[in-house]
Amino acid sequence: GESVGLHLPTLSVQEGDNSIINCAYSNSASDYFIWYKQESGKGPQFIIDIRSNMDKRQGQRVTVLLNKTVKHLSLQIAATQPGDSAVYFCAESQAGTALIFGKGTTLSVSS
Amino acid sequence: GAVVSQHPSWVICKSGTSVKIECRSLDFQATTMFWYRQFPKQSLMLMATSNEGSKATYEQGVEKDKFLINHASLTLSTLTVTSAHPEDSSFYICSAPRHSGNTIYFGEGSWLTVV
Repeated sequence: GESVGLHLPTLSVQEGDNSIINCAYSNSASDYFIWYKQESGKGPQFIIDIRSNMDKRQGQRVTVLLNKTVKHLSLQIAATQPGDSAVYFCAESQAGTALIFGKGTTLSVSS
Repeated sequence: GAVVSQHPSWVICKSGTSVKIECRSLDFQATTMFWYRQFPKQSLMLMATSNEGSKATYEQGVEKDKFLINHASLTLSTLTVTSAHPEDSSFYICSAPRHSGNTIYFGEGSWLTVV
């Protein structure tokens, strides 16, 4: 079946560097995408979302890019901090249906 | 504060018993709620869609007789794990979309340990 996946299971960066986490999705009908951060023992925490009518959206220190041509989603974190260390999931949905989550990327930030 | 509340946060039960987890939308009505399960170091897997006033829709491979879902009101969905076994030990989490803002909210999650 169709699913959302991630290119890399782990990403290690130095504090202050920019981080880029990638996600490939396969359902071309998906029209809503969200990035979540999950810390150990907790539920997913919303970071940023984007709809299919956009290709870029910026938040505070985060940017999400959507490339519908190649069905690719990325999360950019500027000036990564130790507190950003967590597992990051992309998720997609179609017309208000349930979110389908990707496998997750573990981001480790060292000081 | 929490917009979707889940209870209990954690529960330990004996093998063979049943456990009920509640998911409440606190300040909005949710005709639909979603239940996920997450095993350690894995992603959230959709188990079922809970529909107010009708039967839940289960994902492939999820036993509907084992994971009973009831959505009797517009603010409450319950997931009951029947005849729990150690392999059911997991993190269970619900979500509810608020259509007025087209936002999806997650509960805090429930840790289930079956011993």
